[in-house]
Amino acid sequence: KAGVTQTPRYLIKTRGQQVTLSCSPISGHRSVSWYQQTPGQGLQFLFEYFSETQRNKGNFPGRFSGRQFSNSRSEMNVSTLELGDSALYLCASSFGAVSGNTIYFGEGSWLTVV
Amino acid sequence: EDQVTQSPEALRLQEGESSSLNCSYTVSGLRGLFWYRQDPGKGPEFLFTLYSAGEEKEKERLKATLTKKESFLHITAPKPEDSATYLCAVQSGGGADGLTFGKGTHLIIQP
Repeated sequence: KAGVTQTPRYLIKTRGQQVTLSCSPISGHRSVSWYQQTPGQGLQFLFEYFSETQRNKGNFPGRFSGRQFSNSRSEMNVSTLELGDSALYLCASSFGAVSGNTIYFGEGSWLTVV
Repeated sequence: EDQVTQSPEALRLQEGESSSLNCSYTVSGLRGLFWYRQDPGKGPEFLFTLYSAGEEKEKERLKATLTKKESFLHITAPKPEDSATYLCAVQSGGGADGLTFGKGTHLIIQP
């Protein structure tokens, strides 16, 4: 059974650009959530999607957005990139909504902003 | 606001030397407490979910326990391949903010 797949694995962007990251959840999982991981802040929740609807959102600026498609695949977008956006972006999926369900993570997308 | 504190931040053990990692939490209505293992450059790998005080789960050399205020990850006779960062996370009753993670314990097992 394939795990959570994220693309691309590594990317370098210039300050002010935008970036789109993609995530394919485990087959049969309908919930996808996104996290940002940095050495200073650790893992922080960005948002969660379930059945194409955003259920929850963390404390991040509006430059961070996402969406989920009918096949449960998800994308997140960061506009007007800042140096501080350099991080590992992790996608996670669960069978039902996040609440109480086990959440499985992908390998992440490493974003470097220069 | 949910809070998770893990201790110690780093731990170096000799192979075979058992120890415990601590995860203290403050949450309004615990829905689940999760333990993950993360290797450098990789995503977190799921280990355990605990739902209520008194619950215990085991997997190979790892055993996770839960009380109303903290969770312990006991590592028995560890091997070098157990070296990793161990992350603890909680999900609260409202479920409004996803998982709240601790900063992790960086574990090194020396041969």
